[in-house]
This record gives sequence, structure tokens and C-alpha cells, in this order.
Amino acid sequence: KAGVTQTPRYLIKTRGQQVTLSCSPISGHRSVSWYQQTPGQGLQFLFEYFSETQRNKGNFPGRFSGRQFSNSRSEMNVSTLELGDSALYLCASRLLRANTEAFFGQGTRLTVV
Amino acid sequence: KNQVEQSPQSLIILEGKNCTLQCNYTVSPFSNLRWYKQDTGRGPVSLTIMTFSENTKSNGRYTATLDADTKQSSLHITASQLSDSASYICVVSAIDSSNTGKLIFGQGTTLQVKP
Repeated sequence: KAGVTQTPRYLIKTRGQQVTLSCSPISGHRSVSWYQQTPGQGLQFLFEYFSETQRNKGNFPGRFSGRQFSNSRSEMNVSTLELGDSALYLCASRLLRANTEAFFGQGTRLTVV
Repeated sequence: KNQVEQSPQSLIILEGKNCTLQCNYTVSPFSNLRWYKQDTGRGPVSLTIMTFSENTKSNGRYTATLDADTKQSSLHITASQLSDSASYICVVSAIDSSNTGKLIFGQGTTLQVKP
């Protein structure tokens, strides 16, 4: 079966712009979580969506937002980009929230210049 | 506070040698512990899962151990290969009262295998 698909794979934006990243989970999976990964920081949790509702949120400013559609696909939006937003953004899907195995996408490498 | 700490932060070994990565956690209530391998620029992939009752589990040249009493886990890599060069992330899961699996990530250990 198809894995988690993230688009685009690479993105270059300038400061002040906004960006939207997309994540298609494994078919049948209903939980989608987003993470930011920067060198030396590990995976930082952004938020989790389940059944189109945000269930958990990490400690990121309001410039980071997301949503989930009825087909479980999720989008993440970052407004007013800052240089520090440059990172690998990973999406993970789980069948249910109680399932502990997270399947990760390949990530979107965002570079802010 | 739920926390997962990994050591060492980075490691360089010669091809063919063995190595052991460590993971200490303070997570409650504990559900299970997974080791993920993340190649550069790619998403993490699960290597093993350890539940409370399991002490050792192998996946090819990877062997994970769990000591639930001391809340420590290790990942042992035998006869390392160049393709083992990656980051290894320890992820501990807690199941809360609403039956939600919360994932707590370690910072990862970066392993470099040199020829």
C-alpha cells in the first residue's frame, strides 16, 4: 500500500511570504501529525489532527496552522516566514490515535531566504 | 515531565564494528518504545518496537533491549555497514486516560560508519 506522501519535497521562500505544505496519509489512517526538524533540535511536535479536528498542539507561534480534510489529507500553513522556519517538515500518520506506530512521509525541506 | 534522552549525541565507527546506542526515558504511563532510523533528508522508519514485557528484540543486525525497571533501552548494531549511517531516534509512547497514544521523541543519535 502507498505510504505517506508529502508535497512538495523542496521549497524555497523569502522572508515574509507564506507557505502551504500537504500531507496525504496512508489510506485508512485518520490521525495526522506534523513535526519540525532542525539540526540539533530533533523532532518538534507542531500539531495533530484527527477526524478534521486539531487534537493537540505544540509550542509554536500562531503563524503555524493546519487543517485536515474529510479524506484525512492534511495541510500545514506557515505565514510571515522567518529565516528560522527553515527546516525539514515531517508528517506522520497513524491508523487511530491509540495506535503508537507512526508512519512518516519523506518530508518537505523548506528553505527561507 | 515526560522526557526521552539519548546518548551519545553522535558516533563515528569503522565499517564492520559493533556499536550500542542508549535511550533513557521518564514517561508515564509507559506503553511501548520504538527505535526509528532516519536517513539524511528522509522520514524516520521504524526498526523495532518494545513493549513492557519484552527484554530483547532483534531485526537483522539490529538488537534492541529494554529494562523497564531502570527505564533504559539500547540499540545494538552488529557488523556495521556504510548504509547504517543515519540518525537513530528513540520514541516512547504513553497511553493517556482518553486512550490516546502520545509520542515522546528523543533528540536522536547520529551514527557515521566509515570505510
